[in-house]
Amino acid sequence: AQKITQTQPGMFVQEKEAVTLDCTYDTSDQSYGLFWYKQPSSGEMIFLIYQGSYDEQNATEGRYSLNFQKARKSANLVISASQLGDSAMYFCAMREGANSGYALNFGKGTSLLVTP
Amino acid sequence: GAGVSQSPSNKVTEKGKDVELRCDPISGHTALYWYRQSLGQGLEFLIYFQGNSAPDKSGLPSDRFSAERTGGSVSTLTIQRTQQEDSAVYLCASTETGGREGYTFGSGTRLTVV
Repeated sequence: AQKITQTQPGMFVQEKEAVTLDCTYDTSDQSYGLFWYKQPSSGEMIFLIYQGSYDEQNATEGRYSLNFQKARKSANLVISASQLGDSAMYFCAMREGANSGYALNFGKGTSLLVTP
Repeated sequence: GAGVSQSPSNKVTEKGKDVELRCDPISGHTALYWYRQSLGQGLEFLIYFQGNSAPDKSGLPSDRFSAERTGGSVSTLTIQRTQQEDSAVYLCASTETGGREGYTFGSGTRLTVV
């Protein structure tokens, strides 16, 4: 069964607008971590933001914030004030278990295009 | 080094040949992961190494795939008797134990089997 679901294959947003990229996850673990990565056309994977399952506050990193709704098992990424350089693939990932020794399970990704 | 280094960056090989892909993780990172990304797809977990523990090989797609990590540092992913469906970008990542930090990925090796 798919552990990470990203339902939006592609998204468009106008420059300076905010955009939300959806991610839902499936786990029976109580302790887990959620990650978002950006992959531009160059292919590198860039870590954006992390949310732990026990974190009480939503994670924020600059223009990125994670809308964590634990009961709904969703971890949506919000990008505020979009920039042209935000155009890329975005992957949601989950690590199950209490330590970082476990592999990340990735979703299929969302392609974001920021237009002028 | 400053980041995760992978070599070669590109590899074209003939069907049936063996290939070796190399990953040099960030110094001090005890965990190392190999992933495969087919064109337009997400990342598929292959194998991970944690310190001196036995590796988790649960993601390897067939017995043609193997990996080793020498001295807790450099790792080599070997694909024997390559097939066209092995064509993909092979990504390596490393991380310290702890959890909150992101996994640092290398730039990948693009493998093309012709």
